[in-house]
Amino acid sequence: DTVMTQSPLSLPVTPGEPASISCSSSQSLLHSDGYNALNWYLQKPGQSPQLLIYLGSNRASGVPDRFSGSGSGTDFTLKISRVEAEDVGVYYCMQALHTPLFGQGTKLEIK
Amino acid sequence: EMQLVESGGGLVQPGGSLRLSCAASGFTISNTWMHWIRQAPGKGLVWVSRVSADGSITTYADSVKGRFTISRDNAKNTLYLQMNSLRTEDTAVYYCARLTYVPGTPGWGQGTLVTVS
Repeated sequence: DTVMTQSPLSLPVTPGEPASISCSSSQSLLHSDGYNALNWYLQKPGQSPQLLIYLGSNRASGVPDRFSGSGSGTDFTLKISRVEAEDVGVYYCMQALHTPLFGQGTKLEIK
Repeated sequence: EMQLVESGGGLVQPGGSLRLSCAASGFTISNTWMHWIRQAPGKGLVWVSRVSADGSITTYADSVKGRFTISRDNAKNTLYLQMNSLRTEDTAVYYCARLTYVPGTPGWGQGTLVTVS
């Protein structure tokens, strides 16, 4: 079975500073069609998860360009260039190549 | 307004049953796979089940296999989850979700709370 591992699990960040979250899969998420089946979600407090990044590096509509996704195969990264107060919540990576599987979540908080 | 709206959650005793519904409005879900995902209190997201666009293919997490049944009625633009033999560990908020990205349309509902106690 595929295992999704996120780090760190807790991420205190000063507003205006960058932040980075890693997601590692035990199996390659590179589809034979050439895309990476990896999504990033943000679950703000009291809300449903919202899609930030799909297919590894594509921003969903309405997502600020301070969010970016990168990586391929088994290792992926979500970067926030300058954290804002509204970015607090739990970030999840999710592999979509097989049956969906989420990482443990990374809780971003403002220092 | 385009939205996915779950309903049917509530308090049930161990061994009991519930049927969750997820109604889509303002857009169609009939042409895509749909999923149920749950989140126990204070915990992370866990995928539960999925159904193909035409309803012919279903997949379940091992933890619910044989107890839960996913289905859909495309004429009603609605997804269902029949949950039988409920256990205390099934307590969670249940979300319906379309995990395939379609710009401008919602991917997740607001969730419905199931409490088994």
